[in-house]
Amino acid sequence: QQQVKQSPQSLIVQKGGISIINCAYENTAFDYFPWYQQFPGKGPALLIAIRPDVSEKKEGRFTISFNKSAKQFSLHIMDSQPGDSATYFCAAETQGGSEKLVFGKGTKLTVNP
Amino acid sequence: ETGVTQSPTHLIKTRGQQVTLRCSSQSGHNTVSWYQQALGQGPQFIFQYYREEENGRGNFPPRFSGLQFPNYSSELNVNALELDDSALYLCASSLDRGMSTGELFFGEGSRLTVL
Repeated sequence: QQQVKQSPQSLIVQKGGISIINCAYENTAFDYFPWYQQFPGKGPALLIAIRPDVSEKKEGRFTISFNKSAKQFSLHIMDSQPGDSATYFCAAETQGGSEKLVFGKGTKLTVNP
Repeated sequence: ETGVTQSPTHLIKTRGQQVTLRCSSQSGHNTVSWYQQALGQGPQFIFQYYREEENGRGNFPPRFSGLQFPNYSSELNVNALELDDSALYLCASSLDRGMSTGELFFGEGSRLTVL
């Protein structure tokens, strides 16, 4: 059973455009929702994270929107740049749970110059 | 401050063999987590060690085992290798994550190929 469903699988955006990646989760006990960015040959790196007590968090060009009732959250990348081309993973975790960070399957983002 | 380092970076084994992967945590971190990332998939949680004790395990069989040492470095051992074990194995360290959520710092991984 896939606990965190991510879409789309791949995304192509023009430079300066907005990239939007969506995730949905099943487990209402999840209380931490990070997004990780992974470049080829590298390990994932934390991009931005949110907890369910807020509906939005912004850091620079990156924004997480969180909808607790719909059990959905999304990543928005404003003014997308070619350097943003990477694979993005949403994830979720329950504090104190036995199974740690659960990842989505990833979205490969390509930003064309 | 050094980051998370893993070794070896690449290795090839045959079915039925055993493998040990190593991880050196980021300085000051006392928690290490191991993930398996199959090609084109997201990382999947194997287990976590907090202060040398296992603190959570994912849906992996017992032939996946681990250790965390007093200096907080770690090993992942896989016995009786199967073809499906071919993947990138990621180690991630963090501070005091046995009791809370928070950022994981990943290494670049060990790419295992099982023939």
